[in-house]
Amino acid sequence: NAGVTQTPKFQVLKTGQSMTLQCAQDMNHEYMSWYRQDPGMGLRLIHYSVGAGITDQGEVPNGYNVSRSTTEDFPLRLLSAAPSQTSVYFCASSPLGGGQGETQYFGPGTRLLVL
Amino acid sequence: RKEVEQDPGPFNVPEGATVAFNCTYSNSASQSFFWYRQDCRKEPKLLMSIYSSGNEDGRFTAQLNRASQYISLLIRDSKLSDSATYLCVVNYNAGNMLTFGGGTRLMVKP
Repeated sequence: NAGVTQTPKFQVLKTGQSMTLQCAQDMNHEYMSWYRQDPGMGLRLIHYSVGAGITDQGEVPNGYNVSRSTTEDFPLRLLSAAPSQTSVYFCASSPLGGGQGETQYFGPGTRLLVL
Repeated sequence: RKEVEQDPGPFNVPEGATVAFNCTYSNSASQSFFWYRQDCRKEPKLLMSIYSSGNEDGRFTAQLNRASQYISLLIRDSKLSDSATYLCVVNYNAGNMLTFGGGTRLMVKP
């Protein structure tokens, strides 16, 4: 199993550009989520999904959209990039959901710089 | 006030030392507690889940004090390979969301 994969590894955007961060898992996990990590802030939840067709907002959802058309994929879209969105983005998955107190499996991260 | 607070460190300790980290959380409805380890420029990985009042796994001991709302991680006989950032993570029963502390950086020196 590849686990959780993320693409791209690095990305530089100009303010106002849009892009999609890809996340895929091959463990048949129902729960997937996106976090951003900024220095000294820890990981903050952006959006999450408890299954295909179901998404919900996390702590910092503004400026981001998600969809979950399949169990495997959970892309994160930046609608109009801003310098405040410069961060490291992690995707994570787990079998049932964070509410079940399970291990979260993280992808390797995407480092995004918005100029 | 952050929901999950940790001393950012760094904690600089010699090999073989015992080191302890604390973490406090603000929501008394918290149900699940974890310590994750994150190496520099890598993704977080689960170190320990904390059950009941605490548990032990080799050199690592995690304890939970619900009355005082804090979690601790004790590392005995520190190794160079223990150098990393340790993240305290709390799950609230109300939803499917994990809340992360800012992490405590540990540096083990020869």
